Amino acid sequence: AQSVTQPDIHITVSEGASLELRCNYSYGATPYLFWYVQSPGQGLQLLLKYFSGDTLVQGIKGFEAEFKRSQSSFNLRKPSVHWSDAAEYFCAVGAVYGGSQGNLIFGKGTKLSVKP
Amino acid sequence: DAMVIQNPRYQVTQFGKPVTLSCSQTLNHNVMYWYQQKSSQAPKLLFHYYDKDFNNEADTPDNFQSRRPNTSFCFLDIRSPGLGDAAMYLCATSRDLVRQGTEQYFGPGTRLTVT
Repeated sequence: AQSVTQPDIHITVSEGASLELRCNYSYGATPYLFWYVQSPGQGLQLLLKYFSGDTLVQGIKGFEAEFKRSQSSFNLRKPSVHWSDAAEYFCAVGAVYGGSQGNLIFGKGTKLSVKP
Repeated sequence: DAMVIQNPRYQVTQFGKPVTLSCSQTLNHNVMYWYQQKSSQAPKLLFHYYDKDFNNEADTPDNFQSRRPNTSFCFLDIRSPGLGDAAMYLCATSRDLVRQGTEQYFGPGTRLTVT
C-alpha cells in the first residue's frame, strides 16, 4: 500500500537559516508527489509537485524539493526561512492504483516554528 | 479571485442535529473532494465526485453523505453529528483524478464544533 512518512513532527529554525523537511514514501512505481502548506485555521496551499522529469522541482515562496528514487524521498528545502513560513507542511503521494484513485495520501505533517 | 469557497467558515451544531457544509468552485473542475482533518492530523478523504459519479471511501461512516447538484457546488451532510465529528472539513477540486497527474486545490475549510 502507498504511504508517506514525515519523520519530524515539529522543527524549529531561526529566521534566515536554511530548512529541510523530510518526506519518505512507499510506492511501487514513480509516484506523483506533492508538498502542501497549511497556516493555522486555513486550507492547504500547494507549494510544488513532482510528476516526472527533472528531479529538482521549484515551487512557490522560494521552496524547492528533490525527488530521489534510490532513497524514496522527496525532501522540501528553503535556503533562508522567513517568519511567515511558520506553518504546517504536508507531504502527499497521489494514489494511482487501487480502489482510491482520487486520493492523496498525506503524511502526518511537520510543524515549522521560526525563531526571530 | 477565490477559486474554492467554503461556507460557513465556522459552524456550531448540537449533538445529533443534522448539519450541511457547502463548497463551491469557480475552476470548472471535474472532481470535487471532501476531507476531514482532526486537530494535528493529516487530512483524510471522505469521498469524491468525478462529475456526477460519487466515490465513497471504504471507511467513511454512513453518517456522512454528499450531494453535487451541479459542477460548481458540492455539499457535505452530516446526518447525526457526534462529538467525534468535530473537525476541520476541507473541500478540494481537481481537473482530473490524481492518477492523471493533476493537483488538488483546497478551500479554506469549515471548522465544525459539536456541542
